[in-house]
Amino acid sequence: EAQVTQNPRYLITVTGKKLTVTCSQNMNHEYMSWYRQDPGLGLRQIYYSMNVEVTDKGDVPEGYKVSRKEKRNFPLILESPSPNQTSLYFCASSTSGRPNTGELFFGEGSRLTVL
Amino acid sequence: AQSVSQHNHHVILSEAASLELGCNYSYGGTVNLFWYVQYPGQHLQLLLKYFSGDPLVKGIKGFEAEFIKSKFSFNLRKPSVQWSDTAEYFCAVNPPGGYNKLIFGAGTRLAVHP
Repeated sequence: EAQVTQNPRYLITVTGKKLTVTCSQNMNHEYMSWYRQDPGLGLRQIYYSMNVEVTDKGDVPEGYKVSRKEKRNFPLILESPSPNQTSLYFCASSTSGRPNTGELFFGEGSRLTVL
Repeated sequence: AQSVSQHNHHVILSEAASLELGCNYSYGGTVNLFWYVQYPGQHLQLLLKYFSGDPLVKGIKGFEAEFIKSKFSFNLRKPSVQWSDTAEYFCAVNPPGGYNKLIFGAGTRLAVHP
């Protein structure tokens, strides 16, 4: 089954404790992206990757890092989480090299709470 | 600031009522437009998209949307909603030159009562 898998789905952590949210897709998509969803703000892009070893900042990259060492994986790293990073996070991948011509496939989301 | 606006944050309807959800964007030039839906507990999935051609676009599950360039709008419609349409709906725009991302609206939560 074609899917984007995120882990963990739910996480409660404390300020400053490094964490990684994993994302894996099995559709051989080149494009992958991370969004955060906050009430009243919709989804905002954090980082994206056009291909292996090619990543770039989205609209809200502060406090986050990513890596793309393999096509299928695109982990999101919070080196020192803060309470303002409490949010619902979505990983997405695209059928084409660019999301504007294809459909974004989303993971089921990771709800992160930073105390 | 350039943006995507969804005017209705919460909509409550009875089954068989007609639905129209508003979406306006503030980008000039050629844009690509999308509606995504998020059912409770599920991931976002594509409802429909518009790139060019006929401004009336039909999507899955009986949804359609009309692109009105002069109004910078891309409203979502369904003639008769069902309880299973209860979900959150997001309008998204791929702005000119922004080939690598979508700009999402804040979303509209739709509740359909039997």
